[in-house]
Amino acid sequence: QKEVEQDPGPLSVPEGAIVSLNCTYSNSAFQYFMWYRQYSRKGPELLMYTYSSGNKEDGRFTAQVDKSSKYISLFIRDSQPSDSATYLCAMSGRYNQGGKLIFGQGTELSVKP
Amino acid sequence: EAQVTQNPRYLITVTGKKLTVTCSQNMNHEYMSWYRQDPGLGLRQIYYSMNVEVTDKGDVPEGYKVSRKEKRNFPLILESPSPNQTSLYFCASRMSESMNTEAFFGQGTRLTVV
Repeated sequence: QKEVEQDPGPLSVPEGAIVSLNCTYSNSAFQYFMWYRQYSRKGPELLMYTYSSGNKEDGRFTAQVDKSSKYISLFIRDSQPSDSATYLCAMSGRYNQGGKLIFGQGTELSVKP
Repeated sequence: EAQVTQNPRYLITVTGKKLTVTCSQNMNHEYMSWYRQDPGLGLRQIYYSMNVEVTDKGDVPEGYKVSRKEKRNFPLILESPSPNQTSLYFCASRMSESMNTEAFFGQGTRLTVV
């Protein structure tokens, strides 16, 4: 079983839709949770970072962490064509080996005008 | 501009022919790492380095070597490439090992071994 599971999609939505991206994990030692966005032919870029359970909002993006269920989500409101990308969840434990990030498989999102 | 630079961006090579993918960062970061990205498997760490002359294996180190002689550079070496090393490779750097520091990724190197 993979430590982090993410629905690979692809996911196609109309412009303006609310998008929900999700990851589950098995390692209860994970303390840090991140979402990266990767445009085609580019490297991943950090989008959101959370440390604790609960919600964190940044503009149209909301990251949600539920440690009791080992479940994290990224919500995108009023989605735009420029949001079309692959979204990767990543996580790590406080005493993790060499600061290693464990990534999900990535979800490919397409927002249609 | 703060960046991580990888070269080359695309490479096609033959089995067994040694190659090096270079990685350089201009942010004076201590921590650097290499990942490979494969469909359905996501990003997996190959090697990492916490500082000059300090390197260690990640999850998938077989067939790869690295060195960290200078803080800014972290080359990935494939001594005898094989077709199962065909993949998209990313170099990343962070200020330190601490998890509250952002990881910056290079543009990627798409390697094909025939």
